[in-house]
Amino acid sequence: DAKTTQPNSMESNEEEPVHLPCNHSTISGTDYIHWYRQLPSQGPEYVIHGLTSNVNNRMASLAIAEDRKSSTLILHRATLRDAAVYYCILRDNTNAGKSTFGDGTTLTVKP
Amino acid sequence: DAGITQSPRHKVTETGTPVTLRCHQTENHRYMYWYRQDPGHGLRLIHYSYGVKDTDKGEVSDGYSVSRSKTEDFLLTLESATSSQTSVYFCAISDFQGYQPQHFGDGTRLSIL
Repeated sequence: DAKTTQPNSMESNEEEPVHLPCNHSTISGTDYIHWYRQLPSQGPEYVIHGLTSNVNNRMASLAIAEDRKSSTLILHRATLRDAAVYYCILRDNTNAGKSTFGDGTTLTVKP
Repeated sequence: DAGITQSPRHKVTETGTPVTLRCHQTENHRYMYWYRQDPGHGLRLIHYSYGVKDTDKGEVSDGYSVSRSKTEDFLLTLESATSSQTSVYFCAISDFQGYQPQHFGDGTRLSIL
């Protein structure tokens, strides 16, 4: 199964943009890139996903490298409520069973 | 919010006893998953189901069994609980294609003494 690599932790100031990187060098052509976040004492929450093109939604933007071996989750203006663990995972479009999470990136937002 | 209910939400039990956790969904999604999360770590897949009576192992399946007799329910059983299985257990659901997001329950905190 393709794996992802993320930094253990990142810090940001409130109201500034945050760029959370993810490497997935063994990604296959049928893998979708998904991002989730987990607030303390809660289950993970879906944030955004993409295949090849950059994606935007109300929560964030996803920038995908042209070779698809890396991606970046962009929070345009971090708030204190964005402090969470962010997970980048790959989901195979032909078999959604093996959805493997890594340890994610802990984002700290400073006021 | 996706209709996922995990029960119980908290449980304390003793080593060697059987434990069953239940995940119930109202979304009619094909896939259901059980993960465990230990302090300071991400989620690790235990088992997943891709349909009624269709299940497969994840990365940490030893000591766990699952059953899915109807679309809406996915049961996780610890036949003889051990202290190493103390963890927070999350259930998730999704439709079958990889572009469909997973939706997670609120978790079950299980302590085995």
